[in-house]
Amino acid sequence: GENVEQHPSTLSVQEGDSAVIKCTYSDSASNYFPWYKQELGKGPQLIIDIRSNVGEKKDQRIAVTLNKTAKHFSLHITETQPEDSAVYFCAALSYNNNDMRFGAGTRLTVKP
Amino acid sequence: NAGVTQTPKFQVLKTGQSMTLQCAQDMNHEYMSWYRQDPGMGLRLIHYSVGAGITDQGEVPNGYNVSRSTTEDFPLRLLSAAPSQTSVYFCASSSRLANYGYTFGSGTRLTVV
Repeated sequence: GENVEQHPSTLSVQEGDSAVIKCTYSDSASNYFPWYKQELGKGPQLIIDIRSNVGEKKDQRIAVTLNKTAKHFSLHITETQPEDSAVYFCAALSYNNNDMRFGAGTRLTVKP
Repeated sequence: NAGVTQTPKFQVLKTGQSMTLQCAQDMNHEYMSWYRQDPGMGLRLIHYSVGAGITDQGEVPNGYNVSRSTTEDFPLRLLSAAPSQTSVYFCASSSRLANYGYTFGSGTRLTVV
């Protein structure tokens, strides 16, 4: 099955700096890659996703890049704010199955 | 539109007890799933369903049962609780017709003593 690895496990940045979280996946059939943000005591919330026919997607301060050849994708957050502090999860899914695999998560702390 | 509703939010069980975690969604999503979240291990899929009457096992199904009698509800049953099942459980739903993004419930924190 799919195996998703996520790095780093913790990340601390100064407010206004950029943050980058990287994930790799093993199944070449995976073609959907979402990112989730989880705040304390809440369920994960989808913040951005990318499909395999696209190399990059941007939504305001958040962007995701995908390299299918290397089987890795990354989340980029620019101009970070304290409210960006949370745990972020990447995931990978193949449209041919229903088993979405998640990375272990990255705890992002943005210091004011 | 409440999204995905999970009950209870907290539960303490004794080893060997059984219980059912409830999950309901009002978005007419055909796909529903249960995940458990443990420190440092992300979210692991327990069971999932692609529609009423259809269920299948995920990565860590042992000790859990599910059923899907309606589109809206997807309960998770712990048959005989063990301390290893202490975790936070999340239910999620999605629609393949719209997009694949999951909507998660707020979670059930289960402690087995």
